[in-house]
Amino acid sequence: QLQLQESGPGLVKPSETLSLTCTVSGGSISSSSYYWGWIRQPPGKGLEWIGNIYYSGSTYYNPSLKSRVTISVDTSKNQFSLNLSSVTAADTAVYYCARVHRIAQFMDVWGQGTMVTVSS
Amino acid sequence: EIVLTQSPGTLSLSPGERATLSCRASQSVSSSYLAWYQQKPGQAPRLLIYGASSRATGIPDRFSGSGSGTDFTLTISRLEPEDFAVFYCQQYGSSPLFTFGPGTKVDIK
Repeated sequence: QLQLQESGPGLVKPSETLSLTCTVSGGSISSSSYYWGWIRQPPGKGLEWIGNIYYSGSTYYNPSLKSRVTISVDTSKNQFSLNLSSVTAADTAVYYCARVHRIAQFMDVWGQGTMVTVSS
Repeated sequence: EIVLTQSPGTLSLSPGERATLSCRASQSVSSSYLAWYQQKPGQAPRLLIYGASSRATGIPDRFSGSGSGTDFTLTISRLEPEDFAVFYCQQYGSSPLFTFGPGTKVDIK
């Protein structure tokens, strides 16, 4: 059974870079059928798509975050990562990683999420 | 940018009742690319419906999706106690590639 697990610091200072990793277990990140994505949810609010990556390294970003976001993949470790630079309090959120069906474009497997707070 | 609007914001119903949730898009969305998710407090979203009307693996048949163009509906035929949650619709298409609606909360009356 495929599982995704986010990891990384729960507290980041303003202006610094938020870095998270998603580890995929029970399946290969190199599947041609899926992208791998990041989605976030500020406390008490809705869901915002951040971006996706394909195992080949092709990336797709939300234009509203594109200037600050980098998503990368490490197929040898079955992991993909999120870097979000120049963070502010507005980036405080639960960050989820998810598997994205490449053809039908839905997110069918999600990590449990990790809360990241931006504060000095 | 395609904006998704969900109504009502909150739906108060009793177990056993029928729930009808609406998702309206600011522009036409391909039915192939409209999904619904359920989220319970403290949990990640769970995929319910994809392609507007196809149930995801393991989803009970009391959940059904319908619609096309700009108007989509999620129906829960008879609410079970475990169904009370927040429901989001999601579309894939124009930039940004993925957008979510603001959610409908279904709570116990």
